[in-house]
Amino acid sequence: GAVVSQHPSWVICKSGTSVKIECRSLDFQATTMFWYRQFPKQSLMLMATSNEGSKATYEQGVEKDKFLINHASLTLSTLTVTSAHPEDSSFYICSARENRGGYTFGSGTRLTVV
Amino acid sequence: GESVGLHLPTLSVQEGDNSIINCAYSNSASDYFIWYKQESGKGPQFIIDIRSNMDKRQGQRVTVLLNKTVKHLSLQIAATQPGDSAVYFCAARRVDDMRFGAGTRLTVKP
Repeated sequence: GAVVSQHPSWVICKSGTSVKIECRSLDFQATTMFWYRQFPKQSLMLMATSNEGSKATYEQGVEKDKFLINHASLTLSTLTVTSAHPEDSSFYICSARENRGGYTFGSGTRLTVV
Repeated sequence: GESVGLHLPTLSVQEGDNSIINCAYSNSASDYFIWYKQESGKGPQFIIDIRSNMDKRQGQRVTVLLNKTVKHLSLQIAATQPGDSAVYFCAARRVDDMRFGAGTRLTVKP
């Protein structure tokens, strides 16, 4: 089946630094990828829709200058959390839409900002 | 946008019993309704989905029921096993816009 690889699985960074998270579709091309954020014991909240070769579409309330998304190829989308602060600590999850229409999720990245 | 919610935040069942997890939605414009399973520290795993023009779909040990009249979705798990313990989310999707419900934690007692 379709596989989405997300890296790193966890990261600890100092406040004020930037962190990049990668999302790769391993065996299919994904023109559209999605980034979600999940706080403890809460649901997944869509942050943005990433389209290959064009600018991402951000959900209301998500700062595009803080959460930089790049989708430069059909198999890779990256999310960079810039100038991270403790309140950005969360579980970030990507998903990719397959050509058949199904959605496959990555395994998530636990970000802790200290 | 779509609003998706769950009736119960937790559900505890005995191993071997059937489990029923419920979900309510408010906007009937969604094309698909999907159930996901999420284990601790992992991404959601697809379980089963149903198109908006259907009212029932069966998979292996799982059945999804859709009642559009009352805007209600349910996931039935037959012969629940310890490995089924996880958080279950329903999601409603219209084109590429997918929204998740709050989640129900299923605990299976041996």
